[in-house]
Amino acid sequence: QSALTQPPSASGSPGQSVTISCTGTSSDVGGYNYVSWYQQHPGKAPKLMIYEVSMRPSGVPDRFSGSKSGKTASLTVSGLQAEDEADYYCSSYAGSNIVVFGGGTKLTVL
Amino acid sequence: EVQLVESGGGLVKPGGSLRLSCAASGFTFSSHSMNWVRQAPGKGLEWVSSITRSSSYIYYADSVKGRFSISRDNAKNSLYLQMNSLRAEDTAVYYCARGALRGGMDVWGQGTTVTVSS
Repeated sequence: QSALTQPPSASGSPGQSVTISCTGTSSDVGGYNYVSWYQQHPGKAPKLMIYEVSMRPSGVPDRFSGSKSGKTASLTVSGLQAEDEADYYCSSYAGSNIVVFGGGTKLTVL
Repeated sequence: EVQLVESGGGLVKPGGSLRLSCAASGFTFSSHSMNWVRQAPGKGLEWVSSITRSSSYIYYADSVKGRFSISRDNAKNSLYLQMNSLRAEDTAVYYCARGALRGGMDVWGQGTTVTVSS
């Protein structure tokens, strides 16, 4: 049950786009289209932003999009806004009825 | 309003036990799988355990298998986590979250803090 690999930090200026990667193995990210992304502001609970690689729950702005290629999933935030500054976590179904999370990426809006 | 409210956290000595509860409201609790996810201080999220709608299937992370037990009472719209043989490394904020393992967890509680220390 190894954690998925995310960059510790990412940044962008307001209005720009930023992409956060999430690398796993063929047993998790590469093996299933069950990747989710969560946003977490300091002291708050996580919020689901993307599920099943690229699906957006209702209420999530379409500035947030997800994709996957092989063993790496990505979250792209377009038109960065100040309120997008938060920690972002990916997760993936990993077979055998377990879920693994990434280590998290701190997104800074410059 | 769809809501999950955790309770039961606190300070416990190593080797001790604690039972967390999660009260659900605003949705049909019995129609959803539920999970516990924890976050150690300054660290990332870690999935702990999941239970299906009718408790038919229960799953645990290796780190808690044999020590933690998840259960639910659909009549009371409540989810539980019995934690035994607690260790310092179990110190974390524990969140309950709605969702199946293969989908995303779309509703989260505010969390309850568990501190394991002598």
